[in-house]
Amino acid sequence: EAGVVQSPRYKIIEKKQPVAFWCNPISGHNTLYWYRQNLGQGPELLIRYENEEAVDDSQLPKDRFSAERLKGVDSTLKIQPAELGDSAVYLCASSPDRQSGATYEQYFGPGTRLTVT
Amino acid sequence: AQTVTQSQPEMSVQEAETVTLSCTYDTSESDYYLFWYKQPPSRQMILVIRQEAYKQQNATENRFSVNFQKAAKSFSLKISDSQLGDAAMYFCAYRSADYGGSQGNLIFGKGTKLSVKP
Repeated sequence: EAGVVQSPRYKIIEKKQPVAFWCNPISGHNTLYWYRQNLGQGPELLIRYENEEAVDDSQLPKDRFSAERLKGVDSTLKIQPAELGDSAVYLCASSPDRQSGATYEQYFGPGTRLTVT
Repeated sequence: AQTVTQSQPEMSVQEAETVTLSCTYDTSESDYYLFWYKQPPSRQMILVIRQEAYKQQNATENRFSVNFQKAAKSFSLKISDSQLGDAAMYFCAYRSADYGGSQGNLIFGKGTKLSVKP
């Protein structure tokens, strides 16, 4: 079974430029998460989708960040314009449907390391 | 709001020895899940072990075991017979059993960097 796929793995851009990250979750996983991980820190949630619906985007800086999950499968996270402080690793994760007694374990992708210069 | 604290930024262990990583958390909920994730350098995060709060028995997975103290809100990870491949960042994480809204999200600690000496 293929894991969570993310691309690109690395991205270097100048500040004020736009950037986009792509995520393909594990087949059949309806819940998708985007996290940001700053250097030396744990991941922090940006947005969570259940199917096409963003059920929690309270931590997403909406002035410059946007996300979409068309058709409830792949997802794209965009930053426009990027700032120096956006340098981080952006992680995508997915988890199965809600089931009684399930722990909704999250499976992570390899991440995209963004450097803004 | 729930918080997770890992007070050991770095730990070191000799190969084949045992090491314990500490984690404390704060919550007013009675039902939740706790996790330990491993993140090797430049590699993806993988789940090491999980614990359901309603279970008194400590979870074990091969060389990995936890000491879950619910009253003390403590959740430590013990790695036995440490191997070179265990070197990584280890993150403790909390998730509410209530999946609604933001409660379904993982809350991570800042991590502990584990080095394994040959």
